[in-house]
Amino acid sequence: KQEVTQIPAALSVPEGENLVLNCSFTDSAIYNLQWFRQDPGKGLTSLLLIQSSQREQTSGRLNASLDKSSGRSTLYIAASQPGDSATYLCAARFSGTYKYIFGTGTRLKVLA
Amino acid sequence: DAGVIQSPRHEVTEMGQEVTLRCKPISGHDYLFWYRQTMMRGLELLIYFNNNVPIDDSGMPEDRFSAKMPNASFSTLKIQPSEPRDSAVYFCASSGGGGLTLHFGNGTRLTVT
Repeated sequence: KQEVTQIPAALSVPEGENLVLNCSFTDSAIYNLQWFRQDPGKGLTSLLLIQSSQREQTSGRLNASLDKSSGRSTLYIAASQPGDSATYLCAARFSGTYKYIFGTGTRLKVLA
Repeated sequence: DAGVIQSPRHEVTEMGQEVTLRCKPISGHDYLFWYRQTMMRGLELLIYFNNNVPIDDSGMPEDRFSAKMPNASFSTLKIQPSEPRDSAVYFCASSGGGGLTLHFGNGTRLTVT
């Protein structure tokens, strides 16, 4: 069964800290992986998409990596700010399907 | 572009009533997804369409749930009859037009009493 897991479920850090969010998936036949941000009461906003042929993607202070062999992706946030406080979800699309399977998310709180 | 538009934003109904959720995807997108989000189960894919045709409905929980996409700019998710355990936030998302990114609507928060 294809599953996506995110640990930890919640994280609280002081402003300015660099941090890493983790995402694990059970099937190495991954087509792509997306990272999303969700604010309370809102929909999901796509942050980064990594194709299976890529190892990482960067957007501003965000960097996402993908390691198919170990079944892991990480989202690195540099110099965290209170505005980064949100829930971050990863979603994997596996080869042969257009379905995206979501992890349960990491709720991040950046303290001023 | 206005993004994915869902209506209503909130729906409160009594058990046994019919509920219809609506979605307008981004113009030009050929994939449409319905997800349900709860605290206990996270985001679950219910069904997705490609070019208005249902491709995978294996996530639809019961026969009480049905989804349609009569044209490229409109989809509905219907629950009949509704039950309290259907209470959740229902999201619609679309993708396509040459891109791979999923674009989500703001969701419909359904409460069944």
